[in-house]
Amino acid sequence: QTVVTQEPALTVSPGGTVTLTCASSTGEVTTAFYSNWFQQKPGQPPRALIYSSFNRHSWTPARFSGSLVGGKAVLTVSGVQPEDEADYYCLLYYVDSYFWVFGGGTKLTVL
Amino acid sequence: QITLRESGPALLRPRQTLTLTCNFSGFSFTTSGMGVGWTRQPPGKALEWLAVIYWNDATYYNPSLRQRLSITKDTSNSQVILTLTSMEPSDTATYFCTHRRGSGRLDSWGPGTLVTVSS
Repeated sequence: QTVVTQEPALTVSPGGTVTLTCASSTGEVTTAFYSNWFQQKPGQPPRALIYSSFNRHSWTPARFSGSLVGGKAVLTVSGVQPEDEADYYCLLYYVDSYFWVFGGGTKLTVL
Repeated sequence: QITLRESGPALLRPRQTLTLTCNFSGFSFTTSGMGVGWTRQPPGKALEWLAVIYWNDATYYNPSLRQRLSITKDTSNSQVILTLTSMEPSDTATYFCTHRRGSGRLDSWGPGTLVTVSS
């Protein structure tokens, strides 16, 4: 069974920088996984932030950036704002089997 | 602007079949690369990808649920329909409809609909 792993929880101070990672049980995450990142606040549907590893949607604040580092997909939030406190999910595409898998999510606390 | 809205039963009994409808607007399902999918989220838990259907009728499913899932589209009525058979309490979740562009970009979500399975 394919598993996508994220940090369960992270804490960051306002104005700081935090990195969230997304790893695949199958090995290195590359551009072929088309990693997507989503933000979800309580009682709301997820909101798309990043697609195809690096690309922001038109509504995504510039402080959010996506990359591939050390075999993982990475979401970096620079200059964290209090409103960034939320759950963050990554989504990976497994091209050989034509299916997608979400990570378990990271609860980001801004404190 | 793309909008999606889910509709369906709020309560099901075990072993019943769930049928959910996603009504969408703001894009044409005849455009190459367009897709509509479903994701669910049990209360307090993580997201789980379920299925997607594309403009060319290609369908893809979560392998662990493949035997129970079916996704179809009604382009003329701007709808995508998901069925999940043999529902159990563990299928209790909020079910979200999503919009895709190709394989790499999931950009829009519906508000979700909570489905509870209980006897």
